[in-house]
Amino acid sequence: SAVISQKPSRDICQRGTSLTIQCQVDSQVTMMFWYRQQPGQSLTLIATANQGSEATYESGFVIDKFPISRPNLTFSTLTVSNMSPEDSSIYLCSVASAGFNEQFFGPGTRLTVL
Amino acid sequence: GNSVTQMEGPVTLSEEAFLTINCTYTATGYPSLFWYVQYPGEGLQLLLKATKADDKGSNKGFEATYRKETTSFHLEKGSVQVSDSAVYFCALTRNTGFQKLVFGTGTRLLVSP
Repeated sequence: SAVISQKPSRDICQRGTSLTIQCQVDSQVTMMFWYRQQPGQSLTLIATANQGSEATYESGFVIDKFPISRPNLTFSTLTVSNMSPEDSSIYLCSVASAGFNEQFFGPGTRLTVL
Repeated sequence: GNSVTQMEGPVTLSEEAFLTINCTYTATGYPSLFWYVQYPGEGLQLLLKATKADDKGSNKGFEATYRKETTSFHLEKGSVQVSDSAVYFCALTRNTGFQKLVFGTGTRLLVSP
């Protein structure tokens, strides 16, 4: 399985600011995803990060709020823009390779917005 | 659409007790089924999976069998340990195309000595 790291591991931010979360994988992967886990809740897919093109967003999530980059096959970023306390969550990236239906998750970034 | 329903927690057990966490699903076609575990303060780890009917996934003493007739994938362990305390998520994904994972709400397991 791939080794996935995320930075930062946690942060406390002021409302109205933005935070960029990085996801780094130790091998090339086909698919990268970003999920949100609100306090005490399950995981919800935000978007699929596509290498070299715009991310594919799920219903209820928009690019202006959650811009995503994926410049290569091992790295992606998620920005949480103009944050409010409702954005306080754990944000996780996951990866999968073509032909395999397993996803492997990073350790997550715990975000608190005051 | 696809969905996963899990039993609500927390599930509280004594060490060495038998564990069952129920999971049922609704899906078109033949999904793959997964159990993920989230230990306190950590990300998700894949615990086990099954990709077709009657498959049994197993890992670390945990087992789950893909039951197409009852659309279920219940997680079981014969003898739990304190270290098994975590949140367990049942999930599914389609077997073809885009690999979107659909998660259940999670079940918290608390094991006491």
